[in-house]
Amino acid sequence: EVRLVESGGGLVQPGGSLRLSCAASGSTFSGEWMSWVRQAPGRGLEWVATIKPDGNDRFYVDSVGGRFTISRDNAESSLYLQMNSLRVEDTALYYCVSGLLDHWGQGTLVTVSS
Amino acid sequence: QPGLTQPPSVSKDLGQTATLTCTGNNNNVGYQGAGWLQHRRGHPPKLVAYRNDNRPSGISERFSASRSGNTASLTITGLQPEDEADYYCSAWDARLTAWVFGGGTELTVL
Repeated sequence: EVRLVESGGGLVQPGGSLRLSCAASGSTFSGEWMSWVRQAPGRGLEWVATIKPDGNDRFYVDSVGGRFTISRDNAESSLYLQMNSLRVEDTALYYCVSGLLDHWGQGTLVTVSS
Repeated sequence: QPGLTQPPSVSKDLGQTATLTCTGNNNNVGYQGAGWLQHRRGHPPKLVAYRNDNRPSGISERFSASRSGNTASLTITGLQPEDEADYYCSAWDARLTAWVFGGGTELTVL
């Protein structure tokens, strides 16, 4: 059974930074595309970023490009999202997601507010 | 970024059949097909179909998916109370190199 566990969310002021982590188990992490998807309060699902298995190719939604960085450590079966210059509109539940969006973590809440 | 188009809500009676639709373009739904996610309140989304007509292990046979051109469909037969949820379609967009989602369809089982 694939298990994804996110951590690192919290309350941060606008302009601040957070680093989200996702620990994966039960699958061949190193062979999986991995993504972050978020859901703002009262809104639908929004894709944030995706990284290929070898980590060499990364893709971002336009609204986070230049501010967020997705990375991975295949030896540790871990996925990360470094979030800088956070905005109020980044407030959301952030999910770690594997492959063809086939496995999801429980999510970690990021709140950007002064 | 542009997304996929879904009707905002569908209501059906218990035991009936619901068909949800999702429209994209040649770069996403028409390219490698669509997936469908069931999102119940308080739970993470769950994949119920992928690449048009494939069903993950453990998903009820009451869920079936298909595609015609750039439109994907999810059919749920014998509706049960636990089927009440938001359903999102998703697809990898080869031109945008991005996952795109529909706005979600709220399914109500009366």
